[in-house]
Amino acid sequence: DSGVTQTPKHLITATGQRVTLRCSPRSGDLSVYWYQQSLDQGLQFLIQYYNGEERAKGNILERFSAQQFPDLHSELNLSSLELGDSALYFCASSVDPSGGHTDTQYFGPGTRLTVL
Amino acid sequence: AQTVTQSQPEMSVQEAETVTLSCTYDTSESDYYLFWYKQPPSRQMILVIRQEAYKQQNATENRFSVNFQKAAKSFSLKISDSQLGDAAMYFCAYRSGGGGADGLTFGKGTHLIIQP
Repeated sequence: DSGVTQTPKHLITATGQRVTLRCSPRSGDLSVYWYQQSLDQGLQFLIQYYNGEERAKGNILERFSAQQFPDLHSELNLSSLELGDSALYFCASSVDPSGGHTDTQYFGPGTRLTVL
Repeated sequence: AQTVTQSQPEMSVQEAETVTLSCTYDTSESDYYLFWYKQPPSRQMILVIRQEAYKQQNATENRFSVNFQKAAKSFSLKISDSQLGDAAMYFCAYRSGGGGADGLTFGKGTHLIIQP
């Protein structure tokens, strides 16, 4: 158990809908990362937050957005869902991304999203 | 942009034997980190080992060790005394070192099969 929690474990929805995935980082971790794992694209970095502020963007679609709250949990919002958005979405956290061992990322169990 | 290549989609090894998984990467940066993550059938992403680019000494974690060749941009993982529990997908990952604002760039993975 990495200490990173994600809810829900599974989510089934229809095209065009909007969903919210939730992540709670390990105790003491300030940085949260979101990743998408799909058969087509493999594992892709989406976005990073550090202490409530957006820190880096990867291959995140405009239909997707995220935020990190004052209690450091994070939510990933996916809207206007398409079949191709079906994937495993991981959240990871690290203490401090500035370097050293404190930037090692620990992954949550993931949320499996199925778009029908 | 950095790229990570794992040229072996699948590897098979007899239990108790040694196996080496290959990874090469392309970057123009001098400061970075490299990782191996394991993803068993449960889909959990588990950190196996980490290497800082500025360290010449190869990282070791129990039965897992790396062969880091910076000039060749190669980062292979050696698993000694393979066990049935080592069966999983293994992902090589790269992270930029400066500033801490970046996610991981992953290779496509190597599926490791352990033959009893």
